[in-house]
Amino acid sequence: AQTVTQSQPEMSVQEAETVTLSCTYDTSESNYYLFWYKQPPSRQMILVIRQEAYKQQNATENRFSVNFQKAAKSFSLKISDSQLGDTAMYFCAFMTDDYKLSFGAGTTVTVRA
Amino acid sequence: EPEVTQTPSHQVTQMGQEVILRCVPISNHLYFYWYRQILGQKVEFLVSFYNNEISEKSEIFDDQFSVERPDGSNFTLKIRSTKLEDSAMYFCASSIVKRGYNEQFFGPGTRLTVL
Repeated sequence: AQTVTQSQPEMSVQEAETVTLSCTYDTSESNYYLFWYKQPPSRQMILVIRQEAYKQQNATENRFSVNFQKAAKSFSLKISDSQLGDTAMYFCAFMTDDYKLSFGAGTTVTVRA
Repeated sequence: EPEVTQTPSHQVTQMGQEVILRCVPISNHLYFYWYRQILGQKVEFLVSFYNNEISEKSEIFDDQFSVERPDGSNFTLKIRSTKLEDSAMYFCASSIVKRGYNEQFFGPGTRLTVL
């Protein structure tokens, strides 16, 4: 069974600053995918960024980037130049070839003006 | 931009009653999922569905749960006899393909409250 651990229940960041969210996972699979989902107060989850485990290069989507450390089973999310609209719950998620997502407990990010 | 929609947004029911949660996946998507999130806990996988059959289900998805695609557009989750512990947010998701990684698009959720 796969487990996903997010050790930071809450993070607060000043607007325009950078925040990094941590995520670790445990699996015996060699082929898998990692995701960060954002869940704003309206509660619809939106995919932020994804990473295939076989790719060494870290994924980047505009202000969002990941630090994928496969040996350490670590998948952190960096939000640069934080904006008020980034305030949300962020979930790290894991998927193997069974195509079902396993989620972490989430990190609430609050961006302060 | 196409979205997954869910109705109702909030459902209140008495323990022991049957509820049906409805979802309209994105129109060209072929794979459908239900997840649930008990307040303060992780989002948990319930079931995946393809070609009118269940593909995978979790241990949570016992005999009181069933899924159906009744008319080619809706995807429903039925809970036959609700329990207090079924109170949760239920999310529907859909994806277009099953090869490689496939982005699952989530609906806004239905909050189920069992009294």
